[in-house]
Amino acid sequence: DAGVIQSPRHEVTEMGQEVTLRCKPISGHNSLFWYRQTMMRGLELLIYFNNNVPIDDSGMPEDRFSAKMPNASFSTLKIQPSEPRDSAVYFCASSFWVGIQETQYFGPGTRLLVL
Amino acid sequence: AQKVTQAQTEISVVEKEDVTLDCVYETRDTTYYLFWYKQPPSGELVFLIRRNSFDEQNEISGRYSWNFQKSTSSFNFTITASQVVDSAVYFCALTSAGSARQLTFGSGTQLTVLP
Repeated sequence: DAGVIQSPRHEVTEMGQEVTLRCKPISGHNSLFWYRQTMMRGLELLIYFNNNVPIDDSGMPEDRFSAKMPNASFSTLKIQPSEPRDSAVYFCASSFWVGIQETQYFGPGTRLLVL
Repeated sequence: AQKVTQAQTEISVVEKEDVTLDCVYETRDTTYYLFWYKQPPSGELVFLIRRNSFDEQNEISGRYSWNFQKSTSSFNFTITASQVVDSAVYFCALTSAGSARQLTFGSGTQLTVLP
Protein backbone atom coordinates (compact mmCIF):
# COMPACT_ATOMS: atom_id res chain seq x y z
CA ASP A 1 0.00 0.00 0.00
CA ALA A 2 1.16 3.51 -0.73
CA GLY A 3 2.02 5.61 2.26
CA VAL A 4 1.49 9.32 2.64
CA ILE A 5 2.74 11.12 -0.44
CA GLN A 6 4.15 14.64 -0.32
CA SER A 7 5.36 16.91 -3.07
CA PRO A 8 7.67 18.49 -3.75
CA ARG A 9 10.36 16.78 -1.69
CA HIS A 10 12.57 19.84 -1.85
CA GLU A 11 11.69 23.45 -2.52
CA VAL A 12 14.00 26.43 -2.75
CA THR A 13 12.38 29.82 -3.17
CA GLU A 14 13.05 33.46 -2.60
CA MET A 15 11.57 35.57 0.12
CA GLY A 16 8.19 36.95 -0.84
CA GLN A 17 7.27 34.11 -3.16
CA GLU A 18 4.26 31.89 -2.70
CA VAL A 19 4.95 28.30 -1.74
CA THR A 20 2.45 25.43 -2.02
CA LEU A 21 3.09 22.08 -0.41
CA ARG A 22 0.95 19.09 -1.34
CA CYS A 23 -0.10 15.95 0.45
CA LYS A 24 -1.99 12.81 -0.45
CA PRO A 25 -3.02 10.84 2.66
CA ILE A 26 -3.27 7.10 2.94
CA SER A 27 -6.44 5.87 1.30
CA GLY A 28 -9.20 5.26 3.86
CA HIS A 29 -7.75 7.57 6.48
CA ASN A 30 -10.09 10.24 7.79
CA SER A 31 -7.65 12.64 9.42
CA LEU A 32 -4.76 14.67 8.09
CA PHE A 33 -2.12 16.63 9.95
CA TRP A 34 0.48 19.21 8.93
CA TYR A 35 3.65 19.50 11.02
CA ARG A 36 6.76 21.63 10.83
CA GLN A 37 10.16 20.47 12.03
CA THR A 38 13.00 22.84 12.88
CA MET A 39 16.14 22.44 14.92
CA MET A 40 15.03 25.10 17.35
CA ARG A 41 11.43 24.03 17.94
CA GLY A 42 11.37 20.37 17.02
CA LEU A 43 8.14 18.97 15.61
CA GLU A 44 5.16 21.31 15.82
CA LEU A 45 1.58 20.61 14.81
CA LEU A 46 0.32 23.33 12.51
CA ILE A 47 -3.21 22.20 11.68
CA TYR A 48 -5.29 19.08 11.36
CA PHE A 49 -8.41 18.04 9.47
CA ASN A 50 -11.02 15.46 10.28
CA ASN A 51 -13.19 14.31 7.38
CA ASN A 52 -11.78 17.19 5.32
CA VAL A 53 -12.85 19.80 7.89
CA PRO A 54 -10.18 21.88 9.67
CA ILE A 55 -10.49 21.15 13.38
CA ASP A 56 -7.58 22.92 15.03
CA ASP A 57 -5.40 25.52 13.34
CA SER A 58 -3.99 27.03 16.52
CA GLY A 59 -0.50 25.99 15.51
CA MET A 60 -0.50 27.95 12.28
CA PRO A 61 2.13 30.62 12.86
CA GLU A 62 0.39 33.54 11.21
CA ASP A 63 -1.93 34.62 8.45
CA ARG A 64 0.70 33.94 5.85
CA PHE A 65 -0.01 30.25 6.32
CA SER A 66 -3.18 28.61 5.04
CA ALA A 67 -4.23 25.00 4.53
CA LYS A 68 -7.02 23.38 2.60
CA MET A 69 -8.39 19.91 2.14
CA PRO A 70 -10.82 19.98 -0.80
CA ASN A 71 -11.35 16.22 -0.72
CA ALA A 72 -10.34 13.10 1.18
CA SER A 73 -7.30 12.46 -0.95
CA PHE A 74 -5.62 15.84 -1.19
CA SER A 75 -4.44 18.69 0.99
CA THR A 76 -2.32 21.78 0.49
CA LEU A 77 -0.33 24.00 2.80
CA LYS A 78 0.35 27.43 1.36
CA ILE A 79 2.73 30.11 2.53
CA GLN A 80 2.24 33.55 1.02
CA PRO A 81 4.48 35.49 1.18
CA SER A 82 7.29 33.22 2.31
CA GLU A 83 10.04 34.40 4.65
CA PRO A 84 13.46 32.94 5.50
CA ARG A 85 12.23 31.91 8.96
CA ASP A 86 9.75 29.57 7.26
CA SER A 87 12.65 27.35 6.22
CA ALA A 88 11.97 23.95 7.74
CA VAL A 89 10.87 20.43 6.94
CA TYR A 90 7.10 20.21 6.57
CA PHE A 91 5.49 16.86 7.23
CA CYS A 92 2.05 15.66 6.39
CA ALA A 93 0.59 12.76 8.38
CA SER A 94 -2.65 10.85 8.14
CA SER A 95 -4.57 8.55 10.43
CA PHE A 96 -7.81 6.66 10.81
CA TRP A 97 -9.33 8.13 13.91
CA VAL A 98 -11.59 6.12 16.21
CA GLY A 99 -12.01 7.93 19.49
CA ILE A 100 -8.57 8.45 20.98
CA GLN A 101 -7.14 5.47 19.17
CA GLU A 102 -5.13 6.53 16.20
CA THR A 103 -1.66 6.21 14.79
CA GLN A 104 -0.35 9.00 12.63
CA TYR A 105 1.64 7.87 9.62
CA PHE A 106 3.99 10.46 8.23
CA GLY A 107 4.97 11.31 4.71
CA PRO A 108 8.60 11.79 3.64
CA GLY A 109 8.44 15.54 4.25
CA THR A 110 9.10 18.60 2.14
CA ARG A 111 12.36 20.39 2.84
CA LEU A 112 11.73 24.10 2.29
CA LEU A 113 14.45 26.68 2.01
CA VAL A 114 13.48 30.32 1.69
CA LEU A 115 16.36 32.56 0.65
CA ALA B 1 -0.44 20.08 29.59
CA GLN B 2 1.58 17.12 28.52
CA LYS B 3 5.28 16.72 28.06
CA VAL B 4 7.77 14.18 26.77
CA THR B 5 11.40 14.24 27.85
CA GLN B 6 14.20 12.45 26.07
CA ALA B 7 17.20 13.38 28.15
CA GLN B 8 19.72 11.64 25.92
CA THR B 9 20.50 13.99 23.07
CA GLU B 10 23.07 11.76 21.41
CA ILE B 11 24.19 8.17 21.92
CA SER B 12 27.02 6.44 20.14
CA VAL B 13 27.56 2.68 20.29
CA VAL B 14 29.58 0.10 18.44
CA GLU B 15 27.76 -2.38 16.26
CA LYS B 16 26.32 -5.39 18.13
CA GLU B 17 26.07 -3.51 21.40
CA ASP B 18 22.71 -3.17 23.10
CA VAL B 19 21.39 0.34 23.59
CA THR B 20 18.46 1.78 25.53
CA LEU B 21 16.78 5.04 24.67
CA ASP B 22 14.96 6.71 27.54
CA CYS B 23 11.59 8.42 27.44
CA VAL B 24 9.81 10.05 30.36
CA TYR B 25 6.35 11.51 29.93
CA GLU B 26 3.95 13.73 31.85
CA THR B 27 0.19 13.84 31.53
CA ARG B 28 -2.76 14.34 33.84
CA ASP B 29 -4.95 12.01 31.83
CA THR B 30 -5.43 8.38 32.76
CA THR B 31 -6.07 7.42 29.15
CA TYR B 32 -3.16 8.06 26.85
CA TYR B 33 -1.05 6.53 24.11
CA LEU B 34 2.70 6.44 23.74
CA PHE B 35 4.61 6.12 20.50
CA TRP B 36 8.10 5.72 19.14
CA TYR B 37 9.08 7.00 15.71
CA LYS B 38 12.36 6.62 13.85
CA GLN B 39 13.82 9.32 11.62
CA PRO B 40 16.71 7.92 9.56
CA PRO B 41 19.18 10.19 7.74
CA SER B 42 16.87 10.23 4.72
CA GLY B 43 14.46 12.30 6.80
CA GLU B 44 11.17 10.46 6.84
CA LEU B 45 9.39 9.65 10.11
CA VAL B 46 8.70 5.96 10.52
CA PHE B 47 6.18 4.66 13.03
CA LEU B 48 7.57 1.93 15.28
CA ILE B 49 5.09 1.24 18.07
CA ARG B 50 1.99 2.43 19.90
CA ARG B 51 1.10 1.50 23.48
CA ASN B 52 -1.94 2.47 25.51
CA SER B 53 -1.93 3.44 29.15
CA PHE B 54 -3.83 0.35 30.23
CA ASP B 55 -1.38 -2.14 28.84
CA GLU B 56 1.93 -2.29 30.67
CA GLN B 57 3.12 -5.47 29.04
CA ASN B 58 6.53 -5.19 27.51
CA GLU B 59 6.70 -5.66 23.79
CA ILE B 60 9.35 -7.28 21.66
CA SER B 61 9.65 -7.06 17.91
CA GLY B 62 12.78 -8.67 16.56
CA ARG B 63 15.75 -6.75 17.95
CA TYR B 64 13.48 -4.02 19.32
CA SER B 65 11.84 -4.08 22.74
CA TRP B 66 9.89 -1.57 24.74
CA ASN B 67 9.52 -1.26 28.51
CA PHE B 68 6.49 0.69 29.71
CA GLN B 69 6.39 1.52 33.43
CA LYS B 70 3.56 3.72 34.67
CA SER B 71 5.11 3.92 38.13
CA THR B 72 8.02 5.89 36.73
CA SER B 73 6.15 7.40 33.74
CA SER B 74 8.68 5.90 31.40
CA PHE B 75 8.52 4.18 28.03
CA ASN B 76 12.04 3.07 27.19
CA PHE B 77 13.19 1.54 23.92
CA THR B 78 15.97 -1.02 23.68
CA ILE B 79 17.74 -2.14 20.54
CA THR B 80 19.55 -5.45 20.96
CA ALA B 81 22.63 -6.21 18.89
CA SER B 82 22.57 -2.82 17.22
CA GLN B 83 23.37 -2.44 13.53
CA VAL B 84 24.65 0.46 11.48
CA VAL B 85 21.21 0.74 9.85
CA ASP B 86 19.76 1.57 13.27
CA SER B 87 21.52 4.94 13.13
CA ALA B 88 18.74 7.53 13.24
CA VAL B 89 16.98 10.02 15.43
CA TYR B 90 14.37 8.34 17.59
CA PHE B 91 11.37 10.25 18.87
CA CYS B 92 9.06 9.34 21.72
CA ALA B 93 5.58 10.87 21.54
CA LEU B 94 2.41 11.07 23.60
CA THR B 95 -1.25 11.77 23.01
CA SER B 96 -3.98 11.71 25.62
CA ALA B 97 -7.71 11.94 25.96
CA GLY B 98 -7.51 15.56 27.01
CA SER B 99 -4.97 16.68 24.47
CA ALA B 100 -7.38 17.28 21.61
CA ARG B 101 -5.38 14.88 19.46
CA GLN B 102 -2.19 16.79 19.97
CA LEU B 103 0.74 14.43 19.46
CA THR B 104 3.48 15.77 21.71
CA PHE B 105 6.98 14.77 20.66
CA GLY B 106 10.14 14.60 22.69
CA SER B 107 13.22 16.34 21.39
CA GLY B 108 14.62 13.12 19.99
CA THR B 109 17.74 11.01 20.59
CA GLN B 110 20.35 10.80 17.88
CA LEU B 111 21.67 7.23 17.81
CA THR B 112 24.87 6.52 15.94
CA VAL B 113 25.94 2.92 15.51
CA LEU B 114 29.58 2.62 14.50
CA PRO B 115 30.83 -0.32 12.48
